[in-house]
Amino acid sequence: ETGVTQTPRHLVMGMTNKKSLKCEQHLGHNAMYWYKQSAKKPLELMFVYSLEERVENNSVPSRFSPECPNSSHLFLHLHTLQPEDSALYLCASSRDKGSPLHFGNGTRLTVT
Amino acid sequence: DAKTTQPPSMDCAEGRAANLPCNHSTISGNEYVYWYRQIHSQGPQYIIHGLKNNETNEMASLIITEDRKSSTLILPHATLRDTAVYYCIVLSAGTASKLTFGTGTRLQVTL
Repeated sequence: ETGVTQTPRHLVMGMTNKKSLKCEQHLGHNAMYWYKQSAKKPLELMFVYSLEERVENNSVPSRFSPECPNSSHLFLHLHTLQPEDSALYLCASSRDKGSPLHFGNGTRLTVT
Repeated sequence: DAKTTQPPSMDCAEGRAANLPCNHSTISGNEYVYWYRQIHSQGPQYIIHGLKNNETNEMASLIITEDRKSSTLILPHATLRDTAVYYCIVLSAGTASKLTFGTGTRLQVTL
């Protein structure tokens, strides 16, 4: 139990589907993150939220849309994805932006 | 951020200490050494970090050489559940989110 819970663990979606990934942290942290992990790139930072405000967006395509309704929840809304978007999507949280990260176990996404 | 070099793989017998080395010869004065690991089918897990003093927590110890050009992560009594890929990362203060993984060291703990 990492204190960061991601659902679903696995997701298969077609390129025309719309789906959402959910992340919940029970650690009282103020910052939350989305990362992408694939064989080509071991770890890529996608989005950073600090106190529910998006503070970083690393040139992520608009087909990925994050949402942070409160400090404990983070979503990643997906639409019209491409097969190359298949990867492990990891959510993480930290006490603040400079503190070590606590990761969830990820959502394994396959786009067909 | 400074680059790090780690051996690609190591073996350790269960119950023995696992000593994982990392070279970071270009580390600068305000950069910390972080260690994470990733067990198969799980997300990365933070282990420990330090600046120049040795550090210890419930998971491991971190020994940093006086010149800060290398460090060793010590798992004092390795178990089968410690089998994972271990990543040594150097990050400036306040940039913990700028995490990126190299190839790491694949530690195999055996009976």
